[in-house]
Amino acid sequence: SQQGEEDPQALSIQEGENATMNCSYKTSINNLQWYRQNSGRGLVHLILIRSNEREKHSGRLRVTLDTSKKSSSLLITASRAADTASYFCAANNAGGTSYGKLTFGQGTILTVHP
Amino acid sequence: NAGVTQTPKFQVLKTGQSMTLQCAQDMNHNSMYWYRQDPGMGLRLIYYSASEGTTDKGEVPNGYNVSRLNKREFSLRLESAAPSQTSVYFCASREGSGAGNWPQHFGDGTRLSIL
Repeated sequence: SQQGEEDPQALSIQEGENATMNCSYKTSINNLQWYRQNSGRGLVHLILIRSNEREKHSGRLRVTLDTSKKSSSLLITASRAADTASYFCAANNAGGTSYGKLTFGQGTILTVHP
Repeated sequence: NAGVTQTPKFQVLKTGQSMTLQCAQDMNHNSMYWYRQDPGMGLRLIYYSASEGTTDKGEVPNGYNVSRLNKREFSLRLESAAPSQTSVYFCASREGSGAGNWPQHFGDGTRLSIL
């Protein structure tokens, strides 16, 4: 079963606007990761936030993590048409035998209109 | 740098046929993974290999086998393909083999249709 749930399933915005995507997970984690997938391509890693971190920035990306609510959010500021893609959160479950295994959410389809 | 390379990119099979999906990484990573992605869903883990010489089942292993041929290569085999295995298959690799904080690096996928 999918651990991650993402919200919204689809998001359509204008270039220059901000885009916010939310993710919830069910079990304790080592870290939570966000990936982007362009149509017909593989996933590209965007950002990793550790379980003891609350916020992390990378360029126009801002990720927050609330372990008490088992939730994370990805904010893309000043969006561009090139940001059009599917975005996935992935939970790396805690535990000595996790071996980096990820449980993915169903993804948010972001469309940025020029 | 090639990263993670998957072959073939596309394949059509008939029910009952067998085939092997190949994956190779050139980043000297320890861990490798096979996922499948179905329409409207996230990725689901089929098998993984935490280090050379070890493999283990993921969430949806039925109907598949894997081989970690060496540190670079991790193959996925369908012994008797079924229409339910129509999907896009992704291979990924990760630097560490334990529970550390490393991202995964993905190939571009193999699009497999089973008629």
